[in-house]
Formats: sequence, C-alpha cells, structure tokens
Amino acid sequence: EVQLLESGGGLVQPGGSLRLSCAVSGFTFSSYAMSWVRQAPGKGLEWVSSISGSGGVTYYADSVKGRFTNSRDNSKNMVYLQMNSLKAEDTALYYCAKDKGFGVLTPIDYWGQGTLVTVSS
Amino acid sequence: EIVLTQSPGTLSLSPGERATLSCRASQSVSNNYLAWYQQKPGQAPRLLIFGAFSRATGIPDRFSGSGSGTDFTLIISRLEPEDFAVYYCQQYGSSPLTFGGGTKVEIK
Repeated sequence: EVQLLESGGGLVQPGGSLRLSCAVSGFTFSSYAMSWVRQAPGKGLEWVSSISGSGGVTYYADSVKGRFTNSRDNSKNMVYLQMNSLKAEDTALYYCAKDKGFGVLTPIDYWGQGTLVTVSS
Repeated sequence: EIVLTQSPGTLSLSPGERATLSCRASQSVSNNYLAWYQQKPGQAPRLLIFGAFSRATGIPDRFSGSGSGTDFTLIISRLEPEDFAVYYCQQYGSSPLTFGGGTKVEIK
C-alpha cells in the first residue's frame, strides 16, 4: 500500500524558513518522480514543485522559484521541501504526492494528507 | 505558463443526471497531457483521468475524458451520490505544471 506522510508544517513569521518532510513507503521510491502541491484555505490546487526519480531534475512554480528547494534522499525514501523567505501568500496545506512516472512531466497518482503551513506575524 | 480555465464554476445536478465539465487551455497542451482529479471536503485529491482520456486504476467507467489541444471535457454519465465534489483539471505537458480553478458539482 502506498503511503505518504508529511511533517514539518507549522506557524512561521514572514521571512522565516521551514522544512517539510515526506516519508514514503509501499513502492520503489527511486523509480518515481515526486511532487509538492499546495492548497490555500478555501482555494484551489497549486502545483509547487516536482523532482525526478533520480533527483537530477527539478521544476518549480514561478511563485516559489529561488525561495523553495525540492530534494529527495532515495536511500531513506524521503522527500523534502525547504522553504525560505516565506510570505503570507505561502500559507496553505502542502501535499506531498507521488507521480505516475519517473520523469517530472507525469500526473499525480497518490497524495498524502497534507501538512499545514501558516505564515503570519 | 499554460492557464487552464474550467467551466462552469458550479454545476447543480441531481443523482442520475449527466455532468459535463470543461477545461480550456490558453495554449495547446503538449501530448494531451491533461489529467482530471476529484476532491471531496477534507480529503486529498484523487486521480480520475490522465492523458486526456485514460481512466486511473479503480475509477468507474461512468467517468470519461475526451478532448485534445486546448479543449478537454470530463463527463460523468450518471451521477452517484459520492460523485458530488470539486473537480480539477491539470496539464503536465510543460513546466510550470498548472491546475484549473475547479468545478464544484453540487446536489440540486
């Protein structure tokens, strides 16, 4: 059974940093790309970033480029999202998600339950 | 960036009726890499359709996707009570990947 468990969310001040983690099990981790998708309270889905199965290719939304870093440790079955220079508009539920393929241009077939990030003073 | 516009914003229908949801892209979606997701309140989204028309594992055949280029459609042939939810389209053919704003299918 595929399982994705996010952690690391919380309350942070504007300009601060936070690191989200996602522990994965139930599939051959290194064979699949992984994504982060966020959803602001009461709003729609926003793709944040994707990383290929090897970790060699990463894509970012323009809204987070230069501030967020997506990485993975295939030896630990973990994905991370380092978020720096946080803004109020980054407040959202952040989903860790498994992509359907190895490359970054694939749909998402499994989602975690999300971890809430609140950016406020 | 490819902007996806979903319509209508809200669809009010009764169980047993047919639902037709539209997703229009601001430019052609590469390889018709268009997916549809269903999201119920308090839950994570679920993949329904990928590649414009391929059903994901375990998705009932009352869900069907069609379209190509810039115009895509999700059809739910006969609404079941569990189908009332918000539906999102997503293009994954080019970066940045983008989602549409969603269509809420509510009980009339």
